[in-house]
Amino acid sequence: ELKVEQNPLFLSMQEGKNYTIYCNYSTTSDRLYWYRQDPGKSLESLFVLLSNGAVKQEGRLMASLDTKARLSTLHITAAVHDLSATYFCAVDMRYGGATNKLIFGTGTLLAVQP
Amino acid sequence: GAVVSQHPSRVICKSGTSVKIECRSLDFQATTMFWYRQFPKQSLMLMATSNEGSKATYEQGVEKDKFLINHASLTLSTLTVTSAHPEDSSFYICSAAHTGFGNTIYFGEGSWLTVV
Repeated sequence: ELKVEQNPLFLSMQEGKNYTIYCNYSTTSDRLYWYRQDPGKSLESLFVLLSNGAVKQEGRLMASLDTKARLSTLHITAAVHDLSATYFCAVDMRYGGATNKLIFGTGTLLAVQP
Repeated sequence: GAVVSQHPSRVICKSGTSVKIECRSLDFQATTMFWYRQFPKQSLMLMATSNEGSKATYEQGVEKDKFLINHASLTLSTLTVTSAHPEDSSFYICSAAHTGFGNTIYFGEGSWLTVV
């Protein structure tokens, strides 16, 4: 059974600081997604990582994927208050072809303090 | 604009009644759609795969007789929560993949269900 874990579950950080959210998954997969969720809202797609070693960056966020370690990271650079949200990683259930059925991580609630 | 649209965005129903939530793919056809449930302050849990023209596939532990899924066309899937109870109150989100657009997965806006 595929399990996806994130840590930390809660992250309080000051503006301007850097931090990393970790996403570990238990079985082989080659499709990993990062989403942002604001309170009361649905998901906003941030990154799709499709191969080992993939790195993508958008603004202050950078995501990477290590399929051998079954680990993805979401790095936050010089955090700003607008980044406050819950962040989820999600893994496709199948290796070697998309099912589009996603198993979500536990989520990380990020609070950026002024 | 939304590529996958859900309706209603919020619904309140009385305990014991049924409520239907729609999920539509706009501008593309989806032979499969997916339904997720999210309780407050928790993660999303995959409930079922909606298959156009055939029966839905439910994840382990999801009651198929309680959560009826119909996928009658290539752009519409419906989730009906039957005999709803307060513990069914949750945020329900659907998704669909646009296979003609790099297999991009789109999520609907979500539907808040409150059972009183």
